Amino acid sequence: EVQLLESGGGLVQPGGSLRLSCAASGFTFSTYGMSWVRQAPGKGLEWVSTLSGSGGGTYYADSVKGRFTISRDNSKNTLYLQMSSLRAEDTAVYYCATRISGTLAGYYWGQGTLVTVSS
Amino acid sequence: DIQMTQSPSSLSASVGDRVTITCRASQGITNYLAWFQQKPGKAPKSLIYAASSLQSGVPSKFSGSGSGTDFTLTISSLQPEDFATYYCHQYNSFPLTFGGGTKVEIK
Repeated sequence: EVQLLESGGGLVQPGGSLRLSCAASGFTFSTYGMSWVRQAPGKGLEWVSTLSGSGGGTYYADSVKGRFTISRDNSKNTLYLQMSSLRAEDTAVYYCATRISGTLAGYYWGQGTLVTVSS
Repeated sequence: DIQMTQSPSSLSASVGDRVTITCRASQGITNYLAWFQQKPGKAPKSLIYAASSLQSGVPSKFSGSGSGTDFTLTISSLQPEDFATYYCHQYNSFPLTFGGGTKVEIK
């Protein structure tokens, strides 16, 4: 069974930093690209960043470029999102997600972790 | 950027109704489209990928169709557990984008 489990959310002051983690299991982690998607309170889904399986390709939404860094540790089956210079508008539930092919084909989501940026 | 336009933004329907939600991409995305269901306070759940492929474990009352710029999600017979918000999502090119959502409510 594919499982994605986020952690690391919490309350942080504007301008502060936070690192989110996403522990993956049930599939060959190193093979697949992994993404972060966020959802501000009462709003729709917003793509944040994607990292290729090999780690060679990274992509960011303009709203987080230069402030957020996506990375992965394939030996630990874990995806990270380092967030810095946080703003009130970064307040959201952050989900990790992946798209898998083959027998387990489809999109998979974690349960999310809440990040609140407030003084 | 590819804009994804969903319609309607909300709808009211009765149990047993056939419901269709449409999604239009601002440029062609072949079949790189997914549909998700989200209930309040819960993570999105994947229903359809590659425009028409049913994700494992999802009931066959859900179906997707389309290619290029126009796509539809159909629920053949609406049940109480289907009242939720539905999102389309294109993964043809970066930045990845989502539709604004369609909230399906009880009539």
